[in-house]
Amino acid sequence: DAGVIQSPRHEVTEMGQEVTLRCKPISGHDYLFWYRQTMMRGLELLIYFNNNVPIDDSGMPEDRFSAKMPNASFSTLKIQPSEPRDSAVYFCASRRGQGYGYTFGSGTRLTVV
Amino acid sequence: KQEVTQIPAALSVPEGENLVLNCSFTDSAIYNLQWFRQDPGKGLTSLLLIQSSQREQTSGRLNASLDKSSGRSTLYIAASQPGDSATYLCAVSPASGGSYIPTFGRGTSLIVHP
Repeated sequence: DAGVIQSPRHEVTEMGQEVTLRCKPISGHDYLFWYRQTMMRGLELLIYFNNNVPIDDSGMPEDRFSAKMPNASFSTLKIQPSEPRDSAVYFCASRRGQGYGYTFGSGTRLTVV
Repeated sequence: KQEVTQIPAALSVPEGENLVLNCSFTDSAIYNLQWFRQDPGKGLTSLLLIQSSQREQTSGRLNASLDKSSGRSTLYIAASQPGDSATYLCAVSPASGGSYIPTFGRGTSLIVHP
């Protein structure tokens, strides 16, 4: 199993630009999660999906953030327009059913200048 | 609201020592608890998952225990090695709510020096 795959690994963009982060969960996992990690706030849950349906997006900081999961094998997190305070590491994780452990991707390190 | 605290925040030890990392949580109604390791600039790697009905889990030199009534879990690392240097996080999933979305601690940063 290739694990949870995220792309790109690193992204540097200018303030105001659109950023799209991508995630491929583990096959058979029906939950997908997007997290953001910063030194100041630690790991924050942004949004999660169950069977491709967004369940809880209360962690999405602003309307500039949006996430989609068009099918079971692909999800995107989009920031438009990006701001310097969005700089962080963004992780995608997946899980097989309720109550099982998480598997995390390697993350995307986003820098907005 | 569940609060998860990890103490100490940072730890530096010489190689060969046996270590105990602590994770405490305020709400004992949990479904499971998961320990992760995070290397600098990397993602989180799952180490051990303890279900609420279990008292401990072991994998190699790692042993994690769970005491729900006292709201505590410990990760024991035997005979530490420089390769164990990383940040260790615990994640506590609630028994209620139906989604079992965990609350993460801030982690313990471990350095094992030769």
